[in-house]
Amino acid sequence: SQKIEQNSEALNIQEGKTATLTCNYTNYSPAYLQWYRQDPGRGPVFLLLIRENEKEKRKERLKVTFDTTLKQSLFHITASQPADSATYLCALETGGGNKLTFGTGTQLKVEL
Amino acid sequence: DTGVSQNPRHKITKRGQNVTFRCDPISEHNRLYWYRQTLGQGPEFLTYFQNEAQLEKSRLLSDRFSAERPKGSFSTLEIQRTEQGDSAMYLCASSLVGGPVGNQPQHFGDGTRLSIL
Repeated sequence: SQKIEQNSEALNIQEGKTATLTCNYTNYSPAYLQWYRQDPGRGPVFLLLIRENEKEKRKERLKVTFDTTLKQSLFHITASQPADSATYLCALETGGGNKLTFGTGTQLKVEL
Repeated sequence: DTGVSQNPRHKITKRGQNVTFRCDPISEHNRLYWYRQTLGQGPEFLTYFQNEAQLEKSRLLSDRFSAERPKGSFSTLEIQRTEQGDSAMYLCASSLVGGPVGNQPQHFGDGTRLSIL
């Protein structure tokens, strides 16, 4: 069956450290993968898109890797800040129409 | 603010009533998507439009659900004879597909939270 797995347990890290979130998937062959941030009561906010032919993409303190052999994406936030605390969602482009299939998200808490 | 706008933000209604939500996408976007999100889960795809044409509907979208996008601008999602299980956050997203820089990511509104009493 098709699955997208993100660590359901909250990730607690200290301010200034690097947070690493994992997205694993099975039985999909996505053309691209996206990461979103979601705060309570708000809609997801787009962060980064990485295509199947790209290994890594960066934006300011964010870095995403995409390994289509391992079927895994890693999302890194360097020099983390309390304001980075949120739920981070991994989403795969699946099927026609570019619709997205989401993981359940990982809650990140950055502590002082 | 030129982001995706959804109204109302919250809707509380009794079981069996009909409800309608509205989504105003980013103006130049030709694709519009509806998703549903329940607590602790990621958004689940419901349906999408390319301009005014509804091109795909998920099996999650029972015949009590209908969506429209007249004139390819705003969209409405109607739920008839609401049930307890319809309680969720209904999210709208839009994107530009086929533009000069290729397909662009989806941008979401803040959703309509539906509570069925």
